[in-house]
Amino acid sequence: GQQVMQIPQYQHVQEGEDFTTYCNSSTTLSNIQWYKQRPGGHPVFLIQLVKSGEVKKQKRLTFQFGEAKKNSSLHITATQTTDVGTYFCAGPEAGGGSNYKLTFGKGTLLTVNP
Amino acid sequence: DTGVSQNPRHKITKRGQNVTFRCDPISEHNRLYWYRQTLGQGPEFLTYFQNEAQLEKSRLLSDRFSAERPKGSFSTLEIQRTEQGDSAMYLCASRPIRDRVYGYTFGSGTRLTVV
Repeated sequence: GQQVMQIPQYQHVQEGEDFTTYCNSSTTLSNIQWYKQRPGGHPVFLIQLVKSGEVKKQKRLTFQFGEAKKNSSLHITATQTTDVGTYFCAGPEAGGGSNYKLTFGKGTLLTVNP
Repeated sequence: DTGVSQNPRHKITKRGQNVTFRCDPISEHNRLYWYRQTLGQGPEFLTYFQNEAQLEKSRLLSDRFSAERPKGSFSTLEIQRTEQGDSAMYLCASRPIRDRVYGYTFGSGTRLTVV
């Protein structure tokens, strides 16, 4: 079945440093979604990318979707303590129908030292 | 509060007992999902409803698990004869009927501990 892999598993940075997490799917995706889960919380939807090569920005966060629609990345510029949490990518299989059942990666846990 | 509501927030049960969780999705969301999350892992798909119809169930889900969504509103997830391996966070999510809006809204989850 479909697998979604994320690296790194953990990342510790000093406040103000940049952070990047990478996501790779074993199959082509119709779209890719990113979620953030704070410690003790639940996943919160951040963004969706649909088009091949798409780039979207949300303030200090930049999301990219690969040309082959099998990989994606999230880059945070000048991290802040509020960025702490686990970042998950998730995607349905292309042609998987309208249910959009998502397969999640294991996530990247970001910790920020103030 | 117009978010996804899950009850209870925490449940501790003895092995072999049955448990039931409830999820109230956002009212205009016709698509409802159950996921399970263990420590250090991403959410894992369990089952999916569109309105009251259960359209997909994970092959990993044993027969001890059953879910319903009567009248297409709230949903319940029941686990019979619980085992220690069932200990996890059970997350409910909903999504609107509109196409091209793919993101899930998750509830706060029910944390199950089987002792």
